[in-house]
Amino acid sequence: AQSVTQLGSHVSVSEGALVLLRCNYSSSVPPYLFWYVQYPNQGLQLLLKYTSAATLVKGINGFEAEFKKSETSFHLTKPSAHMSDAAEYFCAVSKNSGGSNYKLTFGKGTLLTVNP
Amino acid sequence: DGGITQSPKYLFRKEGQNVTLSCEQNLNHDAMYWYRQDPGQGLRLIYYSQIVNDFQKGDIAEGYSVSREKKESFPLTVTSAQKNPTAFYLCASRGAYTDTQYFGPGTRLTVL
Repeated sequence: AQSVTQLGSHVSVSEGALVLLRCNYSSSVPPYLFWYVQYPNQGLQLLLKYTSAATLVKGINGFEAEFKKSETSFHLTKPSAHMSDAAEYFCAVSKNSGGSNYKLTFGKGTLLTVNP
Repeated sequence: DGGITQSPKYLFRKEGQNVTLSCEQNLNHDAMYWYRQDPGQGLRLIYYSQIVNDFQKGDIAEGYSVSREKKESFPLTVTSAQKNPTAFYLCASRGAYTDTQYFGPGTRLTVL
């Protein structure tokens, strides 16, 4: 079975500071990994995904994540936070199955607050 | 524009009433999903469909029903058997040969 743990339900940073949102996964097979962002009362928007190509994945809005198999982690980072980054972030895992598994397992989310 | 639409944005229901949430996509995706989101709980899968006229239960299907008569549409009915239906409901779709799901804007259901 797959699972995702997001460490820290709430992270607060100052504008311009480094953003680090943590995600650890458990999967019996090589996984696909995703980060989504959700703004208040909206749907989820894909930030980036890891699909077993490069271990460092660049996404939209200046975010990136690094897949570390030895640590079973896929932490999301951004060098300099902007006020517009304030949102909830979800990590998700799927089996590396070329689409045949269909299901994503989501973490519980991390709410990012950016202080001026 | 291609995308996923959900309607209505906000929905109020009295206890004991069934209510149907709409989800439509024009992305030509075969697979569609319904999730429920509660504060601090992440997203939980209710039902999913990989092809027209076929669907499977997710992790929390009790009290819900779906249909998939058209590729573009995957409506979710919240029945009176659902004990705690107040939540934010998200619909998603996925194209062939990819695990990436794309989400609609959601429907917030409140039971009065």
